[in-house]
Amino acid sequence: QQKVQQSPESLTVSEGAMASLNCTFSDGTSNNFRWYRQHSAKGLEVLVSIFSDGEKEEGRFTAHLNRANLHVSLHIREPQPSDSAVYLCAVSMDSNYQLIWGSGTKLIIKP
Amino acid sequence: AQTIHQWPVAEIKAVGSPLSLGCTIKGKSSPNLYWYWQATGGTLQQLFYSITVGQVESVVQLNLSASRPKDDQFILSTEKLLLSHSGFYLCAWSRLGVYEQYFGPGTRLTVL
Repeated sequence: QQKVQQSPESLTVSEGAMASLNCTFSDGTSNNFRWYRQHSAKGLEVLVSIFSDGEKEEGRFTAHLNRANLHVSLHIREPQPSDSAVYLCAVSMDSNYQLIWGSGTKLIIKP
Repeated sequence: AQTIHQWPVAEIKAVGSPLSLGCTIKGKSSPNLYWYWQATGGTLQQLFYSITVGQVESVVQLNLSASRPKDDQFILSTEKLLLSHSGFYLCAWSRLGVYEQYFGPGTRLTVL
């Protein structure tokens, strides 16, 4: 069964410095990967989806996927305090109907 | 533009009482619909999904049920709440064949 783990559990970064978050998964046949973020007690906002090995950029958010290493990362360029949130990695297998979620990384951006 | 609404925003209920949470999508016909549950400080867990009116598939039941009475409406319910039902409930939608899921603002449920 697919397992998704995120690291670190919590990350504090200064405003303007690059923030990097990690997600590992157990089943390399997964076919798509997404990053979401959740501000406190609110709904989720999709940031970037990636399906192929390599890099996918959406504004200040860049995802890197390496299936061989069972790893997908998220890099946030020039983060602002408003980017402080919980960042969630989600992986789906053979359909778009079921997502397996990581437990999240709490990101704090210091002014 | 598509909008997704959830009601109520928050609910405090007694153990053993019934529950009904609602979700409505406007501006999109025949969406795929999803219910998620998130315990406080816990991982997001998918509960149900529906790809068409009247059809709901269970992923994890947690003594809850779901129904899709209309194309744009998804209902989560139970006749008897448990303490373990407390948490944050999120509804989401996606286009057929497209992987991105878009989430509603959520409902905070506290069971006492």
